[in-house]
Amino acid sequence: EAGVTQFPSHSVIEKGQTVTLRCDPISGHDNLYWYRRVMGKEIKFLLHFVKESKQDESGMPNNRFLAERTGGTYSTLKVQPAELEDSGVYFCASSPAGANEQYFGPGTRLTVT
Amino acid sequence: GEDVEQSLFLSVREGDSSVINCTYTDSSSTYLYWYKQEPGAGLQLLTYIFSNMDMKQDQRLTVLLNKKDKHLSLRIADTQTGDSAIYFCAETPSGTYKYIFGTGTRLKVLA
Repeated sequence: EAGVTQFPSHSVIEKGQTVTLRCDPISGHDNLYWYRRVMGKEIKFLLHFVKESKQDESGMPNNRFLAERTGGTYSTLKVQPAELEDSGVYFCASSPAGANEQYFGPGTRLTVT
Repeated sequence: GEDVEQSLFLSVREGDSSVINCTYTDSSSTYLYWYKQEPGAGLQLLTYIFSNMDMKQDQRLTVLLNKKDKHLSLRIADTQTGDSAIYFCAETPSGTYKYIFGTGTRLKVLA
């Protein structure tokens, strides 16, 4: 069974540009989560989808971040326009319905210059 | 409030036991987790413990939970060089599915 995959693995963009990160969860997992780790700090929750619906988006830092999960399969996280403080590693995780343990992808390292 | 703390570094000799500690503040947390991150890789779930348990053992891993002190520990027996990684503890506050992570402990195993 394939694990959670994320694309790209690394993205370098200039301040003010737009970047879209993609996450493909484990097949059949209803729950999908986005987290990010900024500059060696703790990993912070961004938001949680149940199928295509946003269950909890309390961790989204501001309206420059837009997450979607159309059709309840893969998800995208768009940052527009990117700022220097957005640099970090963005992790995606998924879990089956009703399960607490989450399975993480390898992350996307975003560098904003 | 939600806060999870870990020491940043731990260095042990191969064959010794490692103990990684974590303190958390949300007493309503139902599950507590340990994840491992190797260089260039994602987070790998090692083990988890339900909040009504005191201890869980899984091969070389032993998790101890002191709910009164809100203290969680991960003991790795017979530590190997392949155990070198960053270890994160995480809690799930009651009523949510989101994880609250600690800062991670970088374990270095010396040959």
